[in-house]
Amino acid sequence: DGGITQSPKYLFRKEGQNVTLSCEQNLNHDAMYWYRQDPGQGLRLIYYSQIVNDFQKGDIAEGYSVSREKKESFPLTVTSAQKNPTAFYLCASSSAGTNGETQYFGPGTRLLVL
Amino acid sequence: SQQGEEDPQALSIQEGENATMNCSYKTSINNLQWYRQNSGRGLVHLILIRSNEREKHSGRLRVTLDTSKKSSSLLITASRAADTASYFCATVPSGSARQLTFGSGTQLTVLP
Repeated sequence: DGGITQSPKYLFRKEGQNVTLSCEQNLNHDAMYWYRQDPGQGLRLIYYSQIVNDFQKGDIAEGYSVSREKKESFPLTVTSAQKNPTAFYLCASSSAGTNGETQYFGPGTRLLVL
Repeated sequence: SQQGEEDPQALSIQEGENATMNCSYKTSINNLQWYRQNSGRGLVHLILIRSNEREKHSGRLRVTLDTSKKSSSLLITASRAADTASYFCATVPSGSARQLTFGSGTQLTVLP
C-alpha cells in the first residue's frame, strides 16, 4: 500500500460520538486526501490538503473535520453531525505537481455504527 | 461529483480471455487514470494517460483515450484469476491540478 498507513482497520462508533481516523505517509508527499466509499460505489472526496497547515473541503465535507499539522499526518474526525458514517474510508497522498499526479492509497478503515 | 462512469458495472470472463472496460466522462480533462481495488483493500494505481496521448501500454494493460468522445478503455489481455478486482477510472478535470474524480467502477471476475 505504498508507504501509507491507516489505523485502525475497523472502528466502531456509538451514537453522538466523535471518532478520529489516522493516516500517516512516509513518501514525503505534499498532498493528502480523504475519500469515502460506500458499498458498490466509487470514491467521494471528503477533504484534501495540498500543504501543511492548509486544507480544503471536497464534495462531501459536512460532518467531517481534518487537520494538517505535520506533512506526514492527515487525521480525519467523523463528528456526531455525520448522520450516516458507516462506510469505508480511504486516505491517499500524492506529490506536488500541476498535472494531477498519481495518488497512493492506504489500506482503508471501515467505520461501523453501533 | 462522479464524472467518470464505467461500463459495464460487472464483467465475468474465463481465465485467458481479454477483458475490456470503458469509461466515459463529461468535462475536459488534464489526465485520466485507472486504478484497481481488491475487495476490502485500498486502491492501486495502474496507468495514467494524459489528454494529449491516445494509447498507452503497461504489461498486459492497454489504455486508450478518445478526447473527442470523452471516453477511455482499459484492456487486460490474457486475464488471470488474480485480476479479479474492481477497476475504477479517475479523471483530473482541466484547471483542477490534483483532485481526482472517480467513477463507480467495474467489478471484474476472472473464473479459473
